[in-house]
Amino acid sequence: DSGVTQTPKHLITATGQRVTLRCSPRSGDLSVYWYQQSLDQGLQFLIQYYNGEERAKGNILERFSAQQFPDLHSELNLSSLELGDSALYFCASSVASGSPLHFGNGTRLTVT
Amino acid sequence: GIQVEQSPPDLILQEGANSTLRCNFSDSVNNLQWFHQNPWGQLINLFYIPSGTKQNGRLSATTVATERYSLLYISSSQTTDSGVYFCAVPLNTNAGKSTFGDGTTLTVKP
Repeated sequence: DSGVTQTPKHLITATGQRVTLRCSPRSGDLSVYWYQQSLDQGLQFLIQYYNGEERAKGNILERFSAQQFPDLHSELNLSSLELGDSALYFCASSVASGSPLHFGNGTRLTVT
Repeated sequence: GIQVEQSPPDLILQEGANSTLRCNFSDSVNNLQWFHQNPWGQLINLFYIPSGTKQNGRLSATTVATERYSLLYISSSQTTDSGVYFCAVPLNTNAGKSTFGDGTTLTVKP
């Protein structure tokens, strides 16, 4: 058990809808990262937060947004969903930038 | 940005065999991680190894930072070792975001 909790485990929704994925980092970790893993793209970095502030941005679509709350949990919001958004979404946490990443079990999103 | 290449892309072993997986990276890094993604999709942290050698049971890893590669050794493989093995390196030291290689898919047959 990595200590990183992601909910829900599975999500099935229709095109055009909006969903929210939730992540609770390991106790003591201030950094939260979101990654997308789709069949044809591998593991792609989306965004990083550190202690509530956005720290780095990767290949995150404008339809996607995230935030980290004062209790350090994070949410990834995906809107106007398309079939191509179907993927496994991982959250990871670390004590600080450059420290080892610890991944949650992921949320499997299926857009129909 | 930094490029990460893993080899081989696929590996099929008989239970009990040994294997070596390789990760090459295009620029100097100050940390590197190896992960195992099991058939259920979970990403398990194996090693955090910016340099040197570490061992954990049947698995060990060596990173030679000056030559920009890392090796993951699996000895006496078991069917539970099947899955995809990824190495990841940070894109830059300030941000902490990591680039993942495309992975090596390992299948261990009984």
